Amino acid sequence: AQKITQTQPGMFVQEKEAVTLDCTYDTSDPSYGLFWYKQPSSGEMIFLIYQGSYDQQNATEGRYSLNFQKARKSANLVISASQLGDSAMYFCAMRGIIQGAQKLVFGQGTRLTINP
Amino acid sequence: KAGVTQTPRYLIKTRGQQVTLSCSPISGHRSVSWYQQTPGQGLQFLFEYFSETQRNKGNFPGRFSGRQFSNSRSEMNVSTLELGDSALYLCASSLVSLGTYNEQFFGPGTRLTVL
Repeated sequence: AQKITQTQPGMFVQEKEAVTLDCTYDTSDPSYGLFWYKQPSSGEMIFLIYQGSYDQQNATEGRYSLNFQKARKSANLVISASQLGDSAMYFCAMRGIIQGAQKLVFGQGTRLTINP
Repeated sequence: KAGVTQTPRYLIKTRGQQVTLSCSPISGHRSVSWYQQTPGQGLQFLFEYFSETQRNKGNFPGRFSGRQFSNSRSEMNVSTLELGDSALYLCASSLVSLGTYNEQFFGPGTRLTVL
């Protein structure tokens, strides 16, 4: 079954440091997509970055990069030079076929707190 | 371009009542998905509509239903509300159905409280 695991319920990082948020996934579908979303306290989910299962290069979007290790089934999010505004919940998600239908499955999230 | 809008933002209902939530996708987006977010269960997929047809469905009881109109706006209905239905309901839109590589853009959510 499709499953996303985020093992870090919370993380505390000093401003300007780099931070890595862990995400592992489980799927038997060869075609899938991996997403990272940020959810501030306001509740809105903000799309950060996407990685397709067939993409050869790791995805990057500004300060965000995705460390995609397909054999290990991991898709860690790296935020470089963290800022106070990065404090939020971060969700890893996978799009794949679940019970015959395309669905987006989310991990439990990691609460990131950036300290000044 | 305006983002995804959801109305109302907050709602308080009592057990046994029904509720209808509305979602207007980004202009040009034809796919609308609904999610329930609770502290205990996290984010769970409810269903997805594409071109007025339900394309995908999560594991929720039949009390949860939805529809999509010709202008891509979508409504979600929950009948016979239970205390456990208290949650943040998020709507997301994308250009095409979940079956392709398109990211979803989320709305601010509707926070439903069932008393």
